[in-house]
Amino acid sequence: DTEVTQTPKHLVMGMTNKKSLKCEQHMGHRAMYWYKQKAKKPPELMFVYSYEKLSINESVPSRFSPECPNSSLLNLHLHALQPEDSALYLCASSQNRVDGYGYTFGSGTRLTVV
Amino acid sequence: AQTVTQSQPEMSVQEAETVTLSCTYDTSENNYYLFWYKQPPSRQMILVIRQEAYKQQNATENRFSVNFQKAAKSFSLKISDSQLGDTAMYFCAFTYVGNRDDKIIFGKGTRLHILP
Repeated sequence: DTEVTQTPKHLVMGMTNKKSLKCEQHMGHRAMYWYKQKAKKPPELMFVYSYEKLSINESVPSRFSPECPNSSLLNLHLHALQPEDSALYLCASSQNRVDGYGYTFGSGTRLTVV
Repeated sequence: AQTVTQSQPEMSVQEAETVTLSCTYDTSENNYYLFWYKQPPSRQMILVIRQEAYKQQNATENRFSVNFQKAAKSFSLKISDSQLGDTAMYFCAFTYVGNRDDKIIFGKGTRLHILP
């Protein structure tokens, strides 16, 4: 298995809703990432997990809450989002942090906040 | 600070032609990696090719090759015999050993259209 699987592919939520994005990989990668991507822009790093521990939080608002229950699974919990949070959310993994082999990305969750 | 610059926001070429996408970067690091990622309309970021800075030989993956000029800090991507499926956004990216921020630094991207 050489994939990163993200669910759901599309999500529409209201500003008072609570939802979660899920990311799964079975490649034995020990680093996992959440990125946010606006249209026609490069991805922006949000969070990094290394060996299931949060190692980097790029000053992301607390309405985004990451979780890494085990080495294969990464969640992003969403609560009280704003319309400007609408974007493509990409999950990625790598063997280790900054290992030079690049990331394997999932196909993303297209989030719309209404 | 590390930066990656892609000077071509958008390009169009005819199918079967060869196209070159430009990328320059700025760093004071010596041990680093460069990447080209492809993002088609399906949204998934796909690693096309990678280059290790200490290797002088240019990386090649089938129809994709790079021209890595370390002194000039240039890392261009050549796509030979372009196909309709090559239509995508292409991001040049950089990271370095000892990067405590663990960031892959992306350029702003080049939107490539392959015309039938």
